[in-house]
Amino acid sequence: GAVVSQHPSRVICKSGTSVKIECRSLDFQATTMFWYRQFPKQSLMLMATSNEGSKATYEQGVEKDKFLINHASLTLSTLTVTSAHPEDSSFYICSAPGRYGYTFGSGTRLTVV
Amino acid sequence: AQSVTQPDIHITVSEGASLELRCNYSYGATPYLFWYVQSPGQGLQLLLKYFSGDTLVQGIKGFEAEFKRSQSSFNLRKPSVHWSDAAEYFCAVGSNNAGNMLTFGGGTRLMVKP
Repeated sequence: GAVVSQHPSRVICKSGTSVKIECRSLDFQATTMFWYRQFPKQSLMLMATSNEGSKATYEQGVEKDKFLINHASLTLSTLTVTSAHPEDSSFYICSAPGRYGYTFGSGTRLTVV
Repeated sequence: AQSVTQPDIHITVSEGASLELRCNYSYGATPYLFWYVQSPGQGLQLLLKYFSGDTLVQGIKGFEAEFKRSQSSFNLRKPSVHWSDAAEYFCAVGSNNAGNMLTFGGGTRLMVKP
């Protein structure tokens, strides 16, 4: 079945640094990738939608200059958290829609110290 | 706009007892409905999904869900809960348009008493 590989699974970074999260579709082409954020004990909230070859669409309240999304190919979408701060600590998860549903990455636990 | 409501934030059941987790949705067209389970610190695992056809859907781990259009509901059930079922459960709604994202409910945390 369709698999989305997400890396890293966990990352700890210092405040002010940038972190890149990658999501790769392993056996299918993902023209669209959804990026969600989940704070502790809360649900998943859509941050942005990336489409291969075009600019990402951001949800209201999500800073596009802080959360840089690149969808350079049909198998790779990346989210870069720039100048990370402790309040950016969260669980980030990507999802690619397909013919039979949505495939999720395994998530990235980001901790900013 | 699509939305999903899971009325129960927490549910505690005894092991071996039956379980029903409620999900109500709002969607303008025929919805695609999903139930996911998430263990602490883990990603999402798909339990089952409804696209069309039989309104009673069977999933993995003994779970089932019934789509009731008249009630805008897609409740998840299991006849006998196991301790390993303790987790967070999310209901989600999407569409058959691949460009449309999933909208998640707030989640229901299931605790299982021995």
